Amino acid sequence: QKEVEQNSGPLSVPEGAIASLNCTYSDRVSQSFFWYRQYSGKSPELIMSIYSNGDKEDGRFTAQLNKASQYVSLLIRDSQPSDSATYLCAVKGGTPLVFGKGTRLSVIA
Amino acid sequence: DTGVSQDPRHKITKRGQNVTFRCDPISEHNRLYWYRQTLGQGPEFLTYFQNEAQLEKSRLLSDRFSAERPKGSFSTLEIQRTEQGDSAMYLCASSFTPGLAGANTGELFFGEGSRLTVL
Repeated sequence: QKEVEQNSGPLSVPEGAIASLNCTYSDRVSQSFFWYRQYSGKSPELIMSIYSNGDKEDGRFTAQLNKASQYVSLLIRDSQPSDSATYLCAVKGGTPLVFGKGTRLSVIA
Repeated sequence: DTGVSQDPRHKITKRGQNVTFRCDPISEHNRLYWYRQTLGQGPEFLTYFQNEAQLEKSRLLSDRFSAERPKGSFSTLEIQRTEQGDSAMYLCASSFTPGLAGANTGELFFGEGSRLTVL
């Protein structure tokens, strides 16, 4: 059973701070890793993908991957109240994409 | 094409009734996925299609669930003899893969979902 583990939160950070979201996965042959953002009552929206070890930056978002530790993280710099949402980690080793339960982030103004 | 569309957005039904959901993927996408999501959980895989072929079904998928994609375009998901435990958001997603065995990056694009409430 392929598993993706996330702390469900809620994670509360003040506006302007760095939010750090973490994810671990069980399947060592996993190849692709994704972060989706899901606002309450809405569908998941892809915000970051990462395929190789190291960091990948896109605007205020940085994804970090460590395959040896089977660990993926998402950093959100200069957090804004509009970043308040559930962040889903998703992992692909074959098909299908396997999702974690998500971490609920609350950015306090 | 504005994205993946799902219909209906909301469905309330009585236990024992049949329901059907429709999904229209992004037009150039050849893969179509169905996921189910309940409150506080991540999306759970149900099944997926490459063109009109159903390539994989979750072992958790009851025999009451059936999905089709007859012409490789839109898809339907039918639930027969609904139970209260079927209450969930049913999400459709699509992606593009170059060839049956081609590499797929896994980037899925989701529709807004169809919320099912079984009374």
